[in-house]
Amino acid sequence: GDSVTQMEGPVTLSEEAFLTINCTYTATGYPSLFWYVQYPGEGLQLLLKATKADDKGSNKGFEATYRKETTSFHLEKGSVQVSDSAVYFCAPRGNAGNMLTFGGGTRLMVKP
Amino acid sequence: GAGVSQTPSNKVTEKGKYVELRCDPISGHTALYWYRQSLGQGPEFLIYFQGTGAADDSGLPNDRFFAVRPEGSVSTLKIQRTERGDSAVYLCASRFGQYNSPLHFGNGTRLTVT
Repeated sequence: GDSVTQMEGPVTLSEEAFLTINCTYTATGYPSLFWYVQYPGEGLQLLLKATKADDKGSNKGFEATYRKETTSFHLEKGSVQVSDSAVYFCAPRGNAGNMLTFGGGTRLMVKP
Repeated sequence: GAGVSQTPSNKVTEKGKYVELRCDPISGHTALYWYRQSLGQGPEFLIYFQGTGAADDSGLPNDRFFAVRPEGSVSTLKIQRTERGDSAVYLCASRFGQYNSPLHFGNGTRLTVT
């Protein structure tokens, strides 16, 4: 079945630092790739997505590029803010099934 | 518009009891999913409905877990003879029919089995 490996957290950064959260996946066929975010006390929200190789998803200053050759979908942001503190989940959706497969999540803590 | 609604938001029950968790998806969303999230972990897939039928129930951990969606909208996750290991946040998500459309999650039901 599909699987995801995310870098373990917590990741602690100072405000305005550069962020990378690594994600690699295994999935059948040509999966769609998603990043979801869970802010403290809130539900899972879609952050960005990419549906085919070399696509770049972007939202709220975050970006991730679908790299089929390395089966990766790393999340980046050039300058993090305290409000970005949350847990981030990488999730492929393979076309053998319709469900998302979530990684364990990476907790990001941004200090002022 | 209204998002995915889950009730109750919290449920405390005694070991061995039966519980029902309800999910109201976004209107018009044909696909509905149930996930379970334990503390500090990512959501774990349980079951997926397309319309009224369970298209994939491979994630249900055992036969104590069952879910229905009789009219293709509201869904109920049912857990019989609850065990302490069932304690988790149960998440519901819905999706519009297009394959690449994202899942929209509710805030979940926190189930605690004492």
